[in-house]
Amino acid sequence: AQSVTQLGSHVSVSEGALVLLRCNYSSSVPPYLFWYVQYPNQGLQLLLKYTSAATLVKGINGFEAEFKKSETSFHLTKPSAHMSDAAEYFCAVSDVGHGALVFGKGTRLSVIA
Amino acid sequence: SAVISQKPSRDICQRGTSLTIQCQVDSQVTMMFWYRQQPGQSLTLIATANQGSEATYESGFVIDKFPISRPNLTFSTLTVSNMSPEDSSIYLCSVVPDTGNTIYFGEGSWLTVV
Repeated sequence: AQSVTQLGSHVSVSEGALVLLRCNYSSSVPPYLFWYVQYPNQGLQLLLKYTSAATLVKGINGFEAEFKKSETSFHLTKPSAHMSDAAEYFCAVSDVGHGALVFGKGTRLSVIA
Repeated sequence: SAVISQKPSRDICQRGTSLTIQCQVDSQVTMMFWYRQQPGQSLTLIATANQGSEATYESGFVIDKFPISRPNLTFSTLTVSNMSPEDSSIYLCSVVPDTGNTIYFGEGSWLTVV
C-alpha cells in the first residue's frame, strides 16, 4: 500500500526566505509523485509532478522538487518566499499508470512580512 | 488536457436529504475518481468510477451512502445519501486522460449540511 508523510503540518517563513516543505513516500512500485497547492476557499492546483523522467522537477511559481529514491523523498522548495505563496500544500503519490492518488495530510505555509 | 465541470459548485443541504453531484469532462477518459476533503483535512479517495460497471469503493466508503453512476466516458455522478453534518465536505472529481499522465481535478463541490 502506498502512503505519504508530510513533515510539519504548519511551516512559517519570512518573505524572501527559502521554502522547504518535506514529503516522504512509501510505494511498492515505481511511483508518480505530485505536489498540489490549495489557496483558501479554492480548488486544487498542480504545482509539479515526477513521472520517472528527470529527478529534479520544476513547477509553476518558482517551485521545484527533487525525487530521491534512496531517501524515498520528494521535498518541495522555492528559493525566495512571496506573500502570495501562503496556502495549503499537498504531496501525493500514485501508482504508475493507475491515476488514483494517495495524499499526505498537507502542510500549511505561512509567509511573514 | 481535460477540462472538468462540476455541479453544483456549492450547496447547503438539509440533514437527511440526498444530493447528486455531476462531473462532466470535455473528452473521453477511462479513469475517473471521486475524492472527499473534510474541513481542514486532506483529500481521501472515495471510489473509482468505472464505465459500464459498478464503482470500486475504498475502505470506509459504501455504495449505499455514496452511489456512483458512470453512464459513459465523459460523465459521472456521485450521490451523497441521507446526509448528516459529518458529510459537510468538498467533493472532487478527478480524471486521467487516456493519453498522458497528468491528473486533473474539478473545482470541487462544496457541501454544507445543516
